[in-house]
Amino acid sequence: EAGVAQSPRYKIIEKRQSVAFWCNPISGHATLYWYQQILGQGPKLLIQFQNNGVVDDSQLPKDRFSAERLKGVDSTLKIQPAKLEDSAVYLCASGGRGGEQYFGPGTRLTVT
Amino acid sequence: GEDVEQSLFLSVREGDSSVINCTYTDSSSTYLYWYKQEPGAGLQLLTYIFSNMDMKQDQRLTVLLNKKDKHLSLRIADTQTGDSAIYFCAESPLTGANNLFFGTGTRLTVIP
Repeated sequence: EAGVAQSPRYKIIEKRQSVAFWCNPISGHATLYWYQQILGQGPKLLIQFQNNGVVDDSQLPKDRFSAERLKGVDSTLKIQPAKLEDSAVYLCASGGRGGEQYFGPGTRLTVT
Repeated sequence: GEDVEQSLFLSVREGDSSVINCTYTDSSSTYLYWYKQEPGAGLQLLTYIFSNMDMKQDQRLTVLLNKKDKHLSLRIADTQTGDSAIYFCAESPLTGANNLFFGTGTRLTVIP
C-alpha cells in the first residue's frame, strides 16, 4: 500500500514570497491533516479535512495560510506572504477509520 | 488546552532496554500514540493504546498507561542502533475531531 506522498521535499524562499505544498493521502482515507513542525518541537495541527470539508482550522493563521482539498483526495497548503517564522517542516497525514494517522515525509521550508 | 510533556534526551547502550516517558493533562484522551521520527523523515506510527487499557505489547515494544497519573511510557526491549530517533507521544482527546496533540519528543541515542 502506498503511503502519504508530499512534494516538494525541500523549498527555500525569501520572506514575502509565496509557496505551495502538495499532499496525496493514502487511498481511501477520508481524513487529511496538515501539521507544522518547528525545529525542536512536536507537530502542531494547522487544518483537518474530512473528505473535501474543513473540520478544524482553528490553528491556521488565515491571514497568510490557506488550504484546500477540492475533490476530497489531494490537498494543497499555501503560504502568502511567507514570514521568517514560517520556517518549519510541513507534514501531511491521512487518517483511517480507526483514527490513527499516517504521515508523509514532510516538506522542509526555509524562509530567508 | 492539552499539554503533553516528555523529557528531551535519553541515552542507552545497545542491548539494554529503553523507557521513554510521557505525561499528559487531558483526562478525556481516548487514544494515546507513540511515533518515531528519524532524521529528515516523517513520523512513523509505532503503536497506540486505547485509554481503557493499561498495557499493550507488540514485539519489542511495551506501552504502559497509568490513567490515574496521566502517565504513558514506551519500553523498547533489546534496543538497537537503528532505534536511535526522536520518539513522540501524542494524545487524541475525546472532544474535537481526532486531532493529535504531540509532546516535544524524546531523542533516543543508542550507544554501540
